[in-house]
Amino acid sequence: DAGITQSPRYKITETGRQVTLMCHQTWSHSYMFWYRQDLGHGLRLIYYSAAADITDKGEVPDGYVVSRSKTENFPLTLESATRSQTSVYFCASSEFSLATGELFFGEGSRLTVL
Amino acid sequence: KNQVEQSPQSLIILEGKNCTLQCNYTVSPFSNLRWYKQDTGRGPVSLTIMTFSENTKSNGRYTATLDADTKQSSLHITASQLSDSASYICVVSASQGGSEKLVFGKGTKLTVNP
Repeated sequence: DAGITQSPRYKITETGRQVTLMCHQTWSHSYMFWYRQDLGHGLRLIYYSAAADITDKGEVPDGYVVSRSKTENFPLTLESATRSQTSVYFCASSEFSLATGELFFGEGSRLTVL
Repeated sequence: KNQVEQSPQSLIILEGKNCTLQCNYTVSPFSNLRWYKQDTGRGPVSLTIMTFSENTKSNGRYTATLDADTKQSSLHITASQLSDSASYICVVSASQGGSEKLVFGKGTKLTVNP
């Protein structure tokens, strides 16, 4: 099916472990984004990508790594997970830049770090 | 500081009733304002995107208004249905240092009871 999919939907891990959240979109959108959503906060941008092999930091990038070797995939890696990274993570894509493009979100990945 | 404030934080109404959600922002320079609906456990879905020149925009039973002078927006829901129970997020697009960013509100949680 066309759209944007995230995996896993739920993940429990331990402090210090590496975790990778996957994001795949079938629209060939240029822009892809990773957000985290926590109680008491609006969605906060972690990293974004304007095209394959082009990535840039958002407002809360510390502790996260991204890559984008293919247009359709944008994985997010927590190299050494911490409890403060317990959150719901949303991947999103857009055909155009944030100024004009509509943002399409995945269903989210709920991560718990023990 | 760019901020988006939404009110109320939560709202409970009876099915069939109308309601209005508020969004005030201190974001400049302004590019556009968006309303998203987020069902529990799902990703946000776009309802409307409004530019500076648009005062009103409708999407079915949802009508968004924008007053760029007072930096206020509202989302009016007519003849509410149980499926309207969700969080509604106001998002403002800002232009900073040549790059665009989205500023998210914390959302209004709407519960529609039978």
